This record gives sequence, C-alpha cells and structure tokens, in this order.
Amino acid sequence: DSGVTQTPKHLITATGQRVTLRCSPRSGDLSVYWYQQSLDQGLQFLIQYYNGEERAKGNILERFSAQQFPDLHSELNLSSLELGDSALYFCASSVLDSGYEQYFGPGTRLTVT
Amino acid sequence: SQQGEEDPQALSIQEGENATMNCSYKTSINNLQWYRQNSGRGLVHLILIRSNEREKHSGRLRVTLDTSKKSSSLLITASRAADTASYFCATDNYGQNFVFGPGTRLSVLP
Repeated sequence: DSGVTQTPKHLITATGQRVTLRCSPRSGDLSVYWYQQSLDQGLQFLIQYYNGEERAKGNILERFSAQQFPDLHSELNLSSLELGDSALYFCASSVLDSGYEQYFGPGTRLTVT
Repeated sequence: SQQGEEDPQALSIQEGENATMNCSYKTSINNLQWYRQNSGRGLVHLILIRSNEREKHSGRLRVTLDTSKKSSSLLITASRAADTASYFCATDNYGQNFVFGPGTRLSVLP
C-alpha cells in the first residue's frame, strides 16, 4: 500500500459526460501528479501540482482540468468525454517537487461507452 | 516520440537467471527512475538515480546511468516468479515534465 488513495476505482459513463476523479496523496507529500495509461498511448504524464499550484503540464487535453486543494488532495475533471478517453488514470505523490520518487495510487479505471 | 524507450519490449527468462533491461532517452535529465507495474495495478518505485551518479544498488537491483550515451540499464539478479511485471524507466527533465517509456514486459518462468 503506497498510502495514495484514489476514488472511485471504476467509473463507467457515456460519451459527452463529465466526471471527477479524486486523489489523496501520502501524508506529508506536497506534490501530486496525474497520469493516463491506455493500451495504445502507454503511460502519459498529464499534470503536476505542488502545494496547491500548477507546477508542470504534460499531454493534458483542454477538456481536462485539475486542481489541488488546501488540504493537498487533488481532483482531475474530465469533460465532453470521448471513447478514446477510456483508460486507467493514476495519481501519484511525492514529498517535494520533482526529483523525488513518486508513490502511485491504485488508479481509476474509466470506461466511456 | 517518448523520451524514454525501454529495450527489449518483452523478456522471458527462467527463475534464477538475471534480467537486464535498457532505457534510452533524448534530452538532458535531472534524474532517471525505474518503476514496476503488476498487471493493471499502480506503479511501484524501484530506484532513482541522479544525473551525477553512475551506478546504484538496491537489494537484487542494479541500475547504471550513462549520461554521455543517454542510457540506463536495470539488472535484476537471481530473478523470481514474483518479478514478473512490466518495468518502466521515467526521466525527470528538471521539473518540466516527467516522461515514462513504453516499458519492458518481463516474464519469469518457474
């Protein structure tokens, strides 16, 4: 158990809908990272937050957004969902900014039908 | 294309043998990390090697880093069936982004 929690574990929704994925980092970790893992794209870095502020941005679509709250938990919002958004979404946390090992949550499996 | 590229894509060995996986990358890095993923589960951090380090050990794992060749290798000695998983290298580009390679799928046969 990495200490990172993600909810929900599974999510099935229809195209065009909007969902929110939630992540609680390990106690004391200030950075949260979001990743998307699909069969054809592999593991893609989406975005990083550090102590409430956006720190780095990867291949995140404009339909997706994220934020980190004062209690350091984070949410990833996915809107106008398409079939291709079906994937495993992982959250990870690290103690400080980049340069430290990341601890991954169990992931949320999103299925868009 | 991906910053980190693992090689081989898949590797099948017998229990007790050593497994070597390689990772190549394209740009300057702050550090390189190796992770393991069991099917459909979260990634587990194995080892981090900084750009000024050349070799690092952790239990049965040995990682090397050659910044002149922009490559790294992960050696798992005396492999066990429980080592069966996908292994990913990830490069940290001074906080600009964090890029995972496509991974090496390792099968350790009993």
